[in-house]
Amino acid sequence: QVQLMQSGAEVKTPGASVKLSCRASGYTFPNYFIYWVRQAPGQGLEWMGRVHPSLGSTTYARKFQGRVTMTSDTSTSTVYMELSRLRSEDTAMYYCARDRLVGTTGLDYWGQGTLVSVSS
Amino acid sequence: DIVMTQTPLSLPVTPGEPASISCRSSQSLFDSDDGNTYLDWYLQKPGQSPQLLIYTLSFRPSGVPDRFSGSGSGTDFTLKISRVEAEDVGIYYCMQRIDFPWTFGQGTKVEIK
Repeated sequence: QVQLMQSGAEVKTPGASVKLSCRASGYTFPNYFIYWVRQAPGQGLEWMGRVHPSLGSTTYARKFQGRVTMTSDTSTSTVYMELSRLRSEDTAMYYCARDRLVGTTGLDYWGQGTLVSVSS
Repeated sequence: DIVMTQTPLSLPVTPGEPASISCRSSQSLFDSDDGNTYLDWYLQKPGQSPQLLIYTLSFRPSGVPDRFSGSGSGTDFTLKISRVEAEDVGIYYCMQRIDFPWTFGQGTKVEIK
């Protein structure tokens, strides 16, 4: 069955970086983009960007450009999202999700989420 | 960025009764190149990750009950639940994916009366 398994919770201080992982299984990894969406406590969903699983090419929301890096490792079917220069407003649940490269059908599977807490 | 506006933000519902949520976009979500309208609906149940309910305006993924339906055109969209069940409680989000950055509505909280 399709699974997106995310890494565990992180606690960081302001100014630090965090690198989250999302390991895919149960489907053909190269056939789906991986997206990152975050949700601050009690707030709505915010799209951060996506990575092509094979080419490694990325598209980021302008808000995060310069601070976010998404990478893909086809050998382990794992995607990483690194966010630098963390501030308290980055405290959120971070989700990965997938969508088809061809014949898009929306974000049909989501990871369980990784909670990132940023506090001094 | 395309702004997505949902109404209402809170929706008390009665099991067995119909319910609907509206979503409006600041730009058309219709792609004239392929004829698709790139509007999705997601449900986030309490304590869970979001789940896909409707994609590309009106398509229902396998496993999603047929009491959920999506409709609309251009900039105005509706999610309808024909007969609400207790398990339908949660926050419903519309999302556009015609243009980057993809953007979500604020969410509509559905709860049982």
